[in-house]
Amino acid sequence: EAGVVQSPRYKIIEKKQPVAFWCNPISGHNTLYWYLQNLGQGPELLIRYENEEAVDDSQLPKDRFSAERLKGVDSTLKIQPAELGDSAVYLCASSFSVWDTQYFGPGTRLTVL
Amino acid sequence: RKEVEQDPGPFNVPEGATVAFNCTYSNSASQSFFWYRQDCRKEPKLLMSVYSSGNEDGRFTAQLNRASQYISLLIRDSKLSDSATYLCVVNSIGKNTGNQFYFGTGTSLTVIP
Repeated sequence: EAGVVQSPRYKIIEKKQPVAFWCNPISGHNTLYWYLQNLGQGPELLIRYENEEAVDDSQLPKDRFSAERLKGVDSTLKIQPAELGDSAVYLCASSFSVWDTQYFGPGTRLTVL
Repeated sequence: RKEVEQDPGPFNVPEGATVAFNCTYSNSASQSFFWYRQDCRKEPKLLMSVYSSGNEDGRFTAQLNRASQYISLLIRDSKLSDSATYLCVVNSIGKNTGNQFYFGTGTSLTVIP
């Protein structure tokens, strides 16, 4: 069974540029999560989807971050414009339901110069 | 106060040693608990769920103490391949966010030959 797929794996951009990350969850998983992970820290939730509905986006900096999961399957996370402090690993995870085990994708390592 | 707190370590132990990690959580209504393992520059992967009665998987034993609100992970007969960061994860009901997973900052383990 294929795991969570993310692309790109690495991205280097200059500050003020836009960037987008893509995630395809495990087939059949209704819940999708986007996390941000800084070095030496645990993942921090940005947004959680139940099918196509964003049910928890309280930690998403909405002035520059946006996300969508239009058909309830794959999802895109966008930053516009990127700031130096956005450099981190962006992890996508999915699960059957909010109570079940989360499976993580390999992440996108973003460097903002 | 953080939802989940872990001793970041690092723990440096010789091969064959027994090592224990503890994790505390602040929300007494937390429902489910997990230990994830994260290798350097990789995504977190589920190591084991933690059940109220305690559970064991080979050299790994997880315990939950609801009264004291802590979770533990015991690794017996440490192997070099156990070197990683171990993340404590708690599924709680947030104040305004409903169900949410909270990650600890992780405990770093290095097993020395």
